[in-house]
Amino acid sequence: KQEVTQIPAALSVPEGENLVLNCSFTDSAIYNLQWFRQDPGKGLTSLLLIQSSQREQTSGRLNASLDKSSGRSTLYIAASQPGDSATYLCAPTGNQFYFGTGTSLTVIP
Amino acid sequence: SQTIHQWPATLVQPVGSPLSLECTVEGTSNPNLYWYRQAAGRGLQLLFYSVGIGQISSEVPQNLSASRPQDRQFILSSKKLLLSDSGFYLCALNLGTSGSNEQFFGPGTRLTVL
Repeated sequence: KQEVTQIPAALSVPEGENLVLNCSFTDSAIYNLQWFRQDPGKGLTSLLLIQSSQREQTSGRLNASLDKSSGRSTLYIAASQPGDSATYLCAPTGNQFYFGTGTSLTVIP
Repeated sequence: SQTIHQWPATLVQPVGSPLSLECTVEGTSNPNLYWYRQAAGRGLQLLFYSVGIGQISSEVPQNLSASRPQDRQFILSSKKLLLSDSGFYLCALNLGTSGSNEQFFGPGTRLTVL
């Protein structure tokens, strides 16, 4: 069974900082890896999808990288804003979907 | 693009009462559909998934059941709720490899069992 770990569990940064969220997984036999954002009491919003053959994906201030062989992915957020405050989850996908427990991010104005 | 609706948004039920949560999908056909539960302070737990009408796979044995009576409808049910059934229930879909296997989520249903 896939084990997914996200570090740190919580992060608080001042506005404007660049930050990195980490995701590690035990089974490298994945089709892709997806990063989600979850606001309190809401569903998950897809941020980025990296196919297993890709190394990274970018969307605006977000950049996600994937090193499948070592079972790692990072989500880089540039110039953080208070609106980025949320929980971020990674989900490596093989025959099933597995999720990390997330990193709770607070960006302080 | 696809849209996922979940009903109701919130629900408070007594222990032992029945449950029916509905998930409907628009903008796509023949999706793979999923029910997840997110308990307070915990990650997402996959409960059921369905690759087609009438096809249900259960990931966790429990007092919940799922049904897919129509292509774009997925229902989560229970005959008798337990306190431990409280949580945030999320419906999700993906279109399989033809849709890059990307997963999309509905807005969720907050269930509180008292």
